[in-house]
Amino acid sequence: AQSVTQPDIHITVSEGASLELRCNYSYGATPYLFWYVQSPGQGLQLLLKYFSGDTLVQGIKGFEAEFKRSQSSFNLRKPSVHWSDAAEYFCAVGSRNTGTASKLTFGTGTRLQVTL
Amino acid sequence: DTEVTQTPKHLVMGMTNKKSLKCEQHMGHRAMYWYKQKAKKPPELMFVYSYEKLSINESVPSRFSPECPNSSLLNLHLHALQPEDSALYLCASSQTRLQGITDTQYFGPGTRLTVL
Repeated sequence: AQSVTQPDIHITVSEGASLELRCNYSYGATPYLFWYVQSPGQGLQLLLKYFSGDTLVQGIKGFEAEFKRSQSSFNLRKPSVHWSDAAEYFCAVGSRNTGTASKLTFGTGTRLQVTL
Repeated sequence: DTEVTQTPKHLVMGMTNKKSLKCEQHMGHRAMYWYKQKAKKPPELMFVYSYEKLSINESVPSRFSPECPNSSLLNLHLHALQPEDSALYLCASSQTRLQGITDTQYFGPGTRLTVL
């Protein structure tokens, strides 16, 4: 069965500092990987995704993530954090369709706090 | 345009009430999903519709009744809910492809449900 681990429940960074959020996955084949962000009381917004190809993926809002098969990781990075980046971040792995719809398995999330 | 809309934004209901949540997308997606999200937790999959047919039911209690009247609309009918059903209910949609492929899910803003 697939699973996702986000080891950091809560991270605090200063505005302007760099950020790395960790994500480790367990999946029997080449995974489909996603990062979503959720502001309080809001829905999930897709930041970026990895399906195949270049292992360094660029997303919206200046975020990027690197797929490392040898480490079963898909860590999210941003070189300079803005106060508006404070939110909950979810890493997810997508299962292959067994019919005509696929399922997402989410990690438990990392809450990012940004100090001014 | 990757917008999924949900109404209402907030809903308060008693345990004997009947209410419905509505989700709409106009991206031509033929897979639609309902998730339940409790505070500080990741979303939990409830139902998946594919081509307007129920594809996945994650053993959800019968007091939740999904309906997909057409390819753009997804409803969740609520009856005799319990206070522990209070949560953020998220709708998502995705394209449908061949088996063996996964698809990006796009989420709506959610409906905040409170059961008294």
